[in-house]
Amino acid sequence: GQQLNQSPQSMFIQEGEDVSMNCTSSSIFNTWLWYKQDPGEGPVLLIALYKAGELTSNGRLTAQFGITRKDSFLNISASIPSDVGIYFCAGLYAGGTSYGKLTFGQGTILTVHP
Amino acid sequence: KAGVTQTPRYLIKTRGQQVTLSCSPISGHRSVSWYQQTPGQGLQFLFEYFSETQRNKGNFPGRFSGRQFSNSRSEMNVSTLELGDSALYLCASSSQGKETQYFGPGTRLLVL
Repeated sequence: GQQLNQSPQSMFIQEGEDVSMNCTSSSIFNTWLWYKQDPGEGPVLLIALYKAGELTSNGRLTAQFGITRKDSFLNISASIPSDVGIYFCAGLYAGGTSYGKLTFGQGTILTVHP
Repeated sequence: KAGVTQTPRYLIKTRGQQVTLSCSPISGHRSVSWYQQTPGQGLQFLFEYFSETQRNKGNFPGRFSGRQFSNSRSEMNVSTLELGDSALYLCASSSQGKETQYFGPGTRLLVL
């Protein structure tokens, strides 16, 4: 099925380093969402973006909704061991009959070394 | 507010059997979406229900079906299970179906 292009696929960093990941799409979205998933659990919402150009922060996390509506990035500053997990971007197109359908990136696996 | 709940959390079935999974959305949310997550295909949209009506459907065979009740709780059913149906099945709820979705913990299905 259709997926967003999310990169990088994995990252190995030292505690305290900053992290950046991004998603691009050939389609436009009205909403960009960033989730974190721990093994065996459901994705947990980190940040929601609703307007092109919007920059939103949630603690050490900052995300932006690209002006073209086809991309988004997520930054994590001063990483800590509990940041370990899989990060997913997801786009939601609210036009027409596209009810309730999120399109997901492939995920970025983040490993943080103490 | 309580989050999205899913039952059961784990299931083991054999090929050819059928299975029913349940999802209770966040109170006040009327839209429920279902997703299948596998290592090979990632997170794939199955279908969305709102006010007991299926409004959107992903690219899955007819063996995958669902329904929604008047209290917004939803069930999905998979008939004639195949090995490839082994996956984490996630449901998510939102207010109207075009906003932020909140996920449940998932049901891990293993088909032997």
